[in-house]
Amino acid sequence: AQKVTQAQTEISVVEKEDVTLDCVYETRDTTYYLFWYKQPPSGELVFLIRRNSFDEQNEISGRYSWNFQKSTSSFNFTITASQVVDSAVYFCALSEALGETSGSRLTFGEGTQLTVNP
Amino acid sequence: EPEVTQTPSHQVTQMGQEVILRCVPISNHLYFYWYRQILGQKVEFLVSFYNNEISEKSEIFDDQFSVERPDGSNFTLKIRSTKLEDSAMYFCASRQQDRGKSLFGPGTRLTVT
Repeated sequence: AQKVTQAQTEISVVEKEDVTLDCVYETRDTTYYLFWYKQPPSGELVFLIRRNSFDEQNEISGRYSWNFQKSTSSFNFTITASQVVDSAVYFCALSEALGETSGSRLTFGEGTQLTVNP
Repeated sequence: EPEVTQTPSHQVTQMGQEVILRCVPISNHLYFYWYRQILGQKVEFLVSFYNNEISEKSEIFDDQFSVERPDGSNFTLKIRSTKLEDSAMYFCASRQQDRGKSLFGPGTRLTVT
């Protein structure tokens, strides 16, 4: 069974601080996909990134960066120079590659509530 | 960029009533999903749908739930006899291919009184 753990329930930072959101996952598959979604106060789920298990290269997109470490089963997310608009719940999710006809459901972590104060 | 749409945005219903939540996935997507999120909790998988049939469902998706793709565009979730604990945000998602990213609709907030 797959499992995603986000140990940080809430994080509060002051604007312009860097912040890292932790994500640890469990899966028996060798092929899988990891995701981060943002849920702002308005409630929608906004896709941020998808990473497959064969690509351990870190990725940077503007102020966002992701650190994938297979050895520790972690996929951490860092926001550099945080802004008030970054305040949201952030979910890490895992999808196992079950085959073309299967659904490949997303298993979500509990989420981390990030509050960026001015 | 194309978006997944959901209607209504908020549905209030009485316990025991039937509700139908509607979704229009992105037109060239092949995989469709329903997830739910009880207030303050994580997002939970309900069901996936591919090639006009359910491909996977969770233990939450019992006989009270059903899904349908009645035409080429809509994807619906029906709850036959709602319970108080069905109150949640229901998200529809679609995916173009098996390993693509899932794009979510804005959600329908269901309140059962």
